Amino acid sequence: DTEVTQTPKHLVMGMTNKKSLKCEQHMGHRAMYWYKQKAKKPPELMFVYSYEKLSINESVPSRFSPECPNSSLLNLHLHALQPEDSALYLCASSQGGFSRPGNTIYFGEGSWLTVV
Amino acid sequence: KQEVTQIPAALSVPEGENLVLNCSFTDSAIYNLQWFRQDPGKGLTSLLLIQSSQREQTSGRLNASLDKSSGRSTLYIAASQPGDSATYLCAVRENTDKLIFGTGTRLQVFP
Repeated sequence: DTEVTQTPKHLVMGMTNKKSLKCEQHMGHRAMYWYKQKAKKPPELMFVYSYEKLSINESVPSRFSPECPNSSLLNLHLHALQPEDSALYLCASSQGGFSRPGNTIYFGEGSWLTVV
Repeated sequence: KQEVTQIPAALSVPEGENLVLNCSFTDSAIYNLQWFRQDPGKGLTSLLLIQSSQREQTSGRLNASLDKSSGRSTLYIAASQPGDSATYLCAVRENTDKLIFGTGTRLQVFP
């Protein structure tokens, strides 16, 4: 099973709302990622968790707050977003964490976020 | 700063043609390179992973090569089919958990 599951598939939220995106994998992977993708652009890295610790934050605004409750779950908490934050949010996982390169990264189907 | 570029940006070919998609990167200090396909509105599907010590990888009609010293990778698709229509992305992994994506090639294969 090489599946990364993301929920919800679609989310519409107002600029004052608080919502969360969820990601789950049961492959025993110890690195999990959040990427943001705008239309016709490549994915851009937001956060990386390695062994349940935040290892990379690509200077993402604090209105995006990641959380890794355990090795199988990754959340992205959203608060006070702007319309320009509307995008496809992709979760991914890989077997190794930092200093264990060479592992295939598997992506979920993504969550489409629209901020109104 | 690593930059990854893909050429061409878009490609439209008739069914049955053999294709070459190109990926170039500016810093050769990579751990591996991975090729993905992305269907419209969907996530990314991993196609092939090439370690920095490898020259090529094959899976079915796909063959990916890597020339680390020149900063280039190619994805060869044999006997293309309409089902191959998608955006193809290459991504390089450096000495962190960071994956840096190329600009993508949008492929359309028509019957």
